Amino acid sequence: KAGVTQTPRYLIKTRGQQVTLSCSPISGHRSVSWYQQTPGQGLQFLFEYFSETQRNKGNFPGRFSGRQFSNSRSEMNVSTLELGDSALYLCASSSDPDNEQFFGPGTRLTVL
Amino acid sequence: GQQLNQSPQSMFIQEGEDVSMNCTSSSIFNTWLWYKQEPGEGPVLLIALYKAGELTSNGRLTAQFGITRKDSFLNISASIPSDVGIYFCAGQRGGATNKLIFGTGTLLAVQP
Repeated sequence: KAGVTQTPRYLIKTRGQQVTLSCSPISGHRSVSWYQQTPGQGLQFLFEYFSETQRNKGNFPGRFSGRQFSNSRSEMNVSTLELGDSALYLCASSSDPDNEQFFGPGTRLTVL
Repeated sequence: GQQLNQSPQSMFIQEGEDVSMNCTSSSIFNTWLWYKQEPGEGPVLLIALYKAGELTSNGRLTAQFGITRKDSFLNISASIPSDVGIYFCAGQRGGATNKLIFGTGTLLAVQP
């Protein structure tokens, strides 16, 4: 069974631009969560989707948004990029809420 | 953002030594998980714990869910070079959310 896939793996943007990251969960998994990983703050929860509905949201500004499609694939969007948005963005999927989460390889975003 | 207290921050050991790391929280969790992350990759799930007092093994790895539900530890026996990486604990409260709160991480270096 294929694991969680994330595209693109690497991305370089400039301040003020916007970016969309994509996540395909493990087949059959309906829950997708997003995390931001930085050296200073570690792994921080962004948001969580289940059956196309946002179930929970972390403490991030409104520039960070996401959505989930009917096939469980998810995207997250960051608008008006800031230097501090440079991070590894990780997506995790699980078969349904409360079950173990499996992570993808992440998308490394660099904002110049 | 919220992070769990994880110690030690780093460990430099000889191959064959045993390793122990722990994670503490000021609040209760219903699930504790341990992940390992290698450079350029997402965290890989090692062990999941669902019940207070539970002791679970996965090969050379053993983890326990603290009785107070506010702590967990991970032991690695007879370490080998491929154990190198950053180990993270994560707590999950469950209920209507899949949100994980991660520890600060333990960097493990193993010298052959």
